[in-house]
Amino acid sequence: DIQLTQSPSFLSASVGDRVTITCRASQGVGRWLAWYQQKPGKAPSLLIHTASTLQSGVPSRFSGSGSGTDFTLTISSLQPEDCGTYYCQQFDGFPTFGQGTKLEIQ
Amino acid sequence: QVQLVESGGGVVQPGRSLRLSCAASGFTFSDYGMFWVRQAPGKGLEWVTLIWYDGSNKYYADSVKGRFTISRDNSKNMLFLQIHGLRGDDTAVYYCARALANSGNWLGLDLWGQGTLVTVSA
Repeated sequence: DIQLTQSPSFLSASVGDRVTITCRASQGVGRWLAWYQQKPGKAPSLLIHTASTLQSGVPSRFSGSGSGTDFTLTISSLQPEDCGTYYCQQFDGFPTFGQGTKLEIQ
Repeated sequence: QVQLVESGGGVVQPGRSLRLSCAASGFTFSDYGMFWVRQAPGKGLEWVTLIWYDGSNKYYADSVKGRFTISRDNSKNMLFLQIHGLRGDDTAVYYCARALANSGNWLGLDLWGQGTLVTVSA
């Protein structure tokens, strides 16, 4: 199975900060990678698919990049409602998720 | 209203069986592949199984293979997950999710249900 490793596991940042979360795959997954946000007690919500395509309705401050084994989710200007846990997921083999990155607003 | 609604969770003894259901509405269910994803308490997301739009192909995570069976009834807009031989490490919130796809490739899970909690306990 393809393993996804996210870093950092925990992140604390301030409103207005530029935030970057990385996702590294144990083998190349092309661009078949998605990012999700999950709020406590809620289902995940799709932010980005195919590495960099913004899902409809997602604010433009979210962006994704990368291909192969290294991917990045960037929030250009952090907002209070962006707190939560972020997951990457690959679809090149059997689908797998990263372990998650918990984002806290200072 | 476009939504997925899971049901069937509860407290179950180890070794018993359970069937989870997911009711789809507001979209053409038969056009979409569907996934089950679970999340143990305080843990991350784990893909469990997926089924193609027409039910012709099904795939399972190694952790559930042989014990879990995914199925769907497109005439009733329903997705199911049959679980046998429940174990403590099956305790989790189970989500059904709709899959975006393009030319045979999965892209992402764009619609999720609210989840149903399965607790395996004696």
